[in-house]
Amino acid sequence: SQQGEEDPQALSIQEGENATMNCSYKTSINNLQWYRQNSGRGLVHLILIRSNEREKHSGRLRVTLDTSKKSSSLLITASRAADTASYFCATVLNTGTASKLTFGTGTRLQVTL
Amino acid sequence: DGGITQSPKYLFRKEGQNVTLSCEQNLNHDAMYWYRQDPGQGLRLIYYSQIVNDFQKGDIAEGYSVSREKKESFPLTVTSAQKNPTAFYLCASSIYRNTEAFFGQGTRLTVV
Repeated sequence: SQQGEEDPQALSIQEGENATMNCSYKTSINNLQWYRQNSGRGLVHLILIRSNEREKHSGRLRVTLDTSKKSSSLLITASRAADTASYFCATVLNTGTASKLTFGTGTRLQVTL
Repeated sequence: DGGITQSPKYLFRKEGQNVTLSCEQNLNHDAMYWYRQDPGQGLRLIYYSQIVNDFQKGDIAEGYSVSREKKESFPLTVTSAQKNPTAFYLCASSIYRNTEAFFGQGTRLTVV
């Protein structure tokens, strides 16, 4: 089963509105990351938040992390049509000498004009 | 140009045949990963490797094999034991533990 579950599975908003996506995970983590994927392409890293951080900002992105609830949220403010994509959270857990990077199920975001 | 390259972009395989997907990076990254993505689904981890000659099974390793003989290369073999191999395969790398991953553009494998 997937480590992370995103909610909602799909989200449709109008340009200028804010988009919020949530991620829940199952195990302890070293950090949590958010990625974006345009259809049929590779993923692009957006932001990383460490397990001892609670909030992080990058441009129009705001990420929160609540390790007690094993959950994170990604907020995209003032959305644009170009933000249309799938968004995935990913957790990192160190396993011996390696880091296991595990992805969630994703949220498909549609931003309309 | 630095980056991570997957080849080929599209691959067709007959049932019962093994096939190897290539993943090469010139970023001098230590860690490399292989994922499988089915339509409308998330990414599922197949194998990952932190250093040369060492790799770990991910969540869906059955029917797959990998090698890490060189730091820059992490090929994935889809064997005939993989019951449903048709999928989009993504390779990624990161400079070391706990850092962001960079992805290739993927290989779409179809079994005919």
